Amino acid sequence: ETGVTQSPTHLIKTRGQQVTLRCSSQSGHNTVSWYQQALGQGPQFIFQYYREEENGRGNFPPRFSGLQFPNYSSELNVNALELDDSALYLCAGGERHNNEQFFGPGTRLTVL
Amino acid sequence: DQQVKQNSPSLSVQEGRISILNCDYTNSMFDYFLWYKKYPAEGPTFLISISSIKDKNEDGRFTVFLNKSAKHLSLHIVPSQPGDSAVYFCAASANAGNNRKLIWGLGTSLAVNP
Repeated sequence: ETGVTQSPTHLIKTRGQQVTLRCSSQSGHNTVSWYQQALGQGPQFIFQYYREEENGRGNFPPRFSGLQFPNYSSELNVNALELDDSALYLCAGGERHNNEQFFGPGTRLTVL
Repeated sequence: DQQVKQNSPSLSVQEGRISILNCDYTNSMFDYFLWYKKYPAEGPTFLISISSIKDKNEDGRFTVFLNKSAKHLSLHIVPSQPGDSAVYFCAASANAGNNRKLIWGLGTSLAVNP
């Protein structure tokens, strides 16, 4: 039990639509990181938030954006969905300067 | 460019024997390494980690070895149990300012046969 939950579990969207994925972490996790895991790949870092501000970003376009809220919840927003956005999206809670991150079960996004 | 490489997509071992999962990395700035285990339909679960200042870390049946000169680490599971069957990811991080992102390998699927 990592204390990190994600919703929804599964989601189907069509190309061009927008999607919001949600994550809830436990108190003490002052950072939240989002990862994209395509089929057969390892997770790829999208970005990290600390104190409600973006604190590092991977190689993802601006149509991937996020929010972190004071209650340890977070959102990942993806605009103008593309077929290649189909993947498992993982949220991870952690503490700044701490190496270990604790993952939620993920949201499986399918873009048709 | 894959900075963290797990060259064996799969591994099969008998229950009770040793499982050895390997990981290589290219970025000499990595200073912390982690192993995660992932079951289907679940997120990755932290297993064990090692700092670059050490060459070995042990936790019960799990031991991680780090060879910095070879940029290689390995996870040993002894004895292996059927419940260990999962995908194992090697991840590495570097201190990039105030952000520590994890760079992941592609994973090794371990099957422990009864």
